Amino acid sequence: GENVEQHPSTLSVQEGDSAVIKCTYSDSASNYFPWYKQELGKRPQLIIDIRSNVGEKKDQRIAVTLNKTAKHFSLHITETQPEDSAVYFCAASSNAGGTSYGKLTFGQGTILTVHP
Amino acid sequence: KAGVTQTPRYLIKTRGQQVTLSCSPISGHRSVSWYQQTPGQGLQFLFEYFSETQRNKGNFPGRFSGRQFSNSRSEMNVSTLELGDSALYLCASSLDLLNYGYTFGSGTRLTVV
Repeated sequence: GENVEQHPSTLSVQEGDSAVIKCTYSDSASNYFPWYKQELGKRPQLIIDIRSNVGEKKDQRIAVTLNKTAKHFSLHITETQPEDSAVYFCAASSNAGGTSYGKLTFGQGTILTVHP
Repeated sequence: KAGVTQTPRYLIKTRGQQVTLSCSPISGHRSVSWYQQTPGQGLQFLFEYFSETQRNKGNFPGRFSGRQFSNSRSEMNVSTLELGDSALYLCASSLDLLNYGYTFGSGTRLTVV
């Protein structure tokens, strides 16, 4: 089955700096890669996602890049703010064989702390 | 519109008991997935339902089961509870099988004592 590795496990930055979180996946059939943000005691929230036919996607201060050959994808947050502090999860899924994207395999998470 | 609703929010059960958790997807969403979240294992996929049919199943013992009703609401059941079943159980819904935007509910926190 799919295996997703996420690094680093913790990341501490100063407000205004950039933050980068990296994930690698094992199943070459994976073709959908979402990122979720989970604040303490709250539900995971989808912040950005990318499909395998796209190399990069950006939404304001957040961007995701995908390298299918190397089987890795990264989350980039620019101009970080204290409210960006949370746990970030990457995930991978595949709808190969007519299945759905509903079986997400998650990385272990990155605790991001943004210091004012 | 209302988000994904999970009930109850908190549950305390004794070892050996069984428990049923409920998930109401976003209105119009027909695909529901369930996940277990623990500090040690992270987020792990349990199963997915669409049109009252289980489409996918994760690597959990048979004590974990689920179902989906004709209105897309879903329930999961855990029988013969063990201490290790203590976790946050999350469900997520999506419009249909071809849609890849899954929205999570706030979860049910299950504590087994």
